Amino acid sequence: GQQVMQIPQYQHVQEGEDFTTYCNSSTTLSNIQWYKQRPGGHPVFLIQLVKSGEVKKQKRLTFQFGEAKKNSSLHITATQTTDVGTYFCAGREGGTYKYIFGTGTRLKVLA
Amino acid sequence: DGGITQSPKYLFRKEGQNVTLSCEQNLNHDAMYWYRQDPGQGLRLIYYSQIVNDFQKGDIAEGYSVSREKKESFPLTVTSAQKNPTAFYLCASSIKPVANTGELFFGEGSRLTVL
Repeated sequence: GQQVMQIPQYQHVQEGEDFTTYCNSSTTLSNIQWYKQRPGGHPVFLIQLVKSGEVKKQKRLTFQFGEAKKNSSLHITATQTTDVGTYFCAGREGGTYKYIFGTGTRLKVLA
Repeated sequence: DGGITQSPKYLFRKEGQNVTLSCEQNLNHDAMYWYRQDPGQGLRLIYYSQIVNDFQKGDIAEGYSVSREKKESFPLTVTSAQKNPTAFYLCASSIKPVANTGELFFGEGSRLTVL
């Protein structure tokens, strides 16, 4: 079945440093979504990428979808303490409503 | 306000008992999902439903059952056959993903502890 892996599992950075998490799927995806889960909270939608090679930006966050639509990345520039949480990617295969989540990357920002 | 409501938030049960977790949404969404979250393992799909009276198994459906008799409700029963039921359970819903963003809206979760 479809598997989605994320690396790294954990990342500790100093405030102001950059952060990147990578997502890889075993199958080609129809689209990919990114979610953020704060400690003790539930996942909250950040963005969706649909097109091959697509790049989207949200303030300090940059999201990319690979050319083959099997990988994606999230890059945060100049991290802040408010960026703390676990970041998940979620991939959907075409023709289904089934979203498979990556294993997540837990980000800790040291002030 | 529109949203997804899960109950109870915390639940303690003895081993061998069935428990049912409630999930209700008033977003008029067609699709609903149940995920299980364990530390370090991300979210794993248990069951999902695209439409009323229809549902499909996810990757870890063994030991769980669901029903979708109403559009707004998708309860999950954790049966005694589930070998390790202690976990954080998240319910989500979305509009049909093909036509729109299909983003998942999550409830606040139910934490089940089996003693």
